[in-house]
Amino acid sequence: DAGVTQSPTHLIKTRGQQVTLRCSPKSGHDTVSWYQQALGQGPQFIFQYYEEEERQRGNFPDRFSGHQFPNYSSELNVNALLLGDSALYLCASSLGPERNTIYFGEGSWLTVV
Amino acid sequence: KQEVTQIPAALSVPEGENLVLNCSFTDSAIYNLQWFRQDPGKGLTSLLLIQSSQREQTSGRLNASLDKSSGRSTLYIAASQPGDSATYLCAVRLNYGQNFVFGPGTRLSVLP
Repeated sequence: DAGVTQSPTHLIKTRGQQVTLRCSPKSGHDTVSWYQQALGQGPQFIFQYYEEEERQRGNFPDRFSGHQFPNYSSELNVNALLLGDSALYLCASSLGPERNTIYFGEGSWLTVV
Repeated sequence: KQEVTQIPAALSVPEGENLVLNCSFTDSAIYNLQWFRQDPGKGLTSLLLIQSSQREQTSGRLNASLDKSSGRSTLYIAASQPGDSATYLCAVRLNYGQNFVFGPGTRLSVLP
């Protein structure tokens, strides 16, 4: 039973570029949340997707956008990258948006230079 | 706005010691609190979940307590082992179905 999988695991982008990160939820899960974790800090909530719609959103600018596909996988897009966007981006999935048990992926390390 | 803090930021202990990690949150009206473990460069693994109506949860050598009125939780690790070395994060949920608010974590090193 595959857990939450994320791709790519590492990537380097130049300031001003755009990036897309991908997440496949754990088998049977239909809800995906994204978190940003800067070095030495706890994860910060970006947004949550359920039934292909953004259900909740944290305090992140519109440069951060997402999408959920009919197979429940999700993408996180970040436009006009800033140096401060360098972080570990974590995806978490659950069965339904209100379940206690969520599972995190290994994350995608983004470095903006 | 809910804020979560963790003390200490880092801790180094010899193998075999019992230790306590602390978590504080500013808004006591939480739905539940969860402790996670994060190995370097890796994702998060859930350790213990405490509902707002509970006082503690135990799993093996781990025991987590919750005092909502004072806005505090502790994670007790008994007989620590080098394999326990990791960052430990606590996170709270304000309402049913809401996202997590995480603390900054405590980086634990257990020396053989």
